[in-house]
Amino acid sequence: EPEVTQTPSHQVTQMGQEVILRCVPISNHLYFYWYRQILGQKVEFLVSFYNNEISEKSEIFDDQFSVERPDGSNFTLKIRSTKLEDSAMYFCASRDIGAPLHFGNGTRLTVT
Amino acid sequence: DQQVKQNSPSLSVQEGRISILNCDYTNSMFDYFLWYKKYPAEGPTFLISISSIKDKNEDGRFTVFLNKSAKHLSLHIVPSQPGDSAVYFCANQGAQKLVFGQGTRLTINP
Repeated sequence: EPEVTQTPSHQVTQMGQEVILRCVPISNHLYFYWYRQILGQKVEFLVSFYNNEISEKSEIFDDQFSVERPDGSNFTLKIRSTKLEDSAMYFCASRDIGAPLHFGNGTRLTVT
Repeated sequence: DQQVKQNSPSLSVQEGRISILNCDYTNSMFDYFLWYKKYPAEGPTFLISISSIKDKNEDGRFTVFLNKSAKHLSLHIVPSQPGDSAVYFCANQGAQKLVFGQGTRLTINP
């Protein structure tokens, strides 16, 4: 069964550094998402992406965050200047029209 | 704004018995709800869904019930098995995003 794949599985970075989290969505899916889960908290929506543009973004997704689909397969989340509170599991998801979201196994981001 | 609430952070059930997970919602413009299951170190996995045209949807051991007037849904697992131990998230599908509840950690005891 096709999967959403995310790399790396764990990223450690220093405060103020830029990070790029990478995702390969399922190939025929049209809608792409990033979510995050801070330890012990709920899974929170960050951004949705369709037709090469952002469809919706949450309050968390401020100017420090950006997303890109640089080619036909990858979907990336960039955090320009990381803060301690950005430490979380980041989940990428994709879906086809009218179908449920399929999630990757996440990238654990640790900001020190 | 869509809100989904799971008021029980944890639930412990004996193997073979029924597990009932509950979820309440407010301000939903889209009456389409999903349950996801999450194991540690993995992403959420879709389990079952229900739309407003139904009040029940069944898939094997899993049944979801929707009470629109009470803005409440529940997931029933019967019989419960040890492999069902996980965190279960209720979610509401909006136009552009899926909104999750806080999750309920289900533990199935042998």
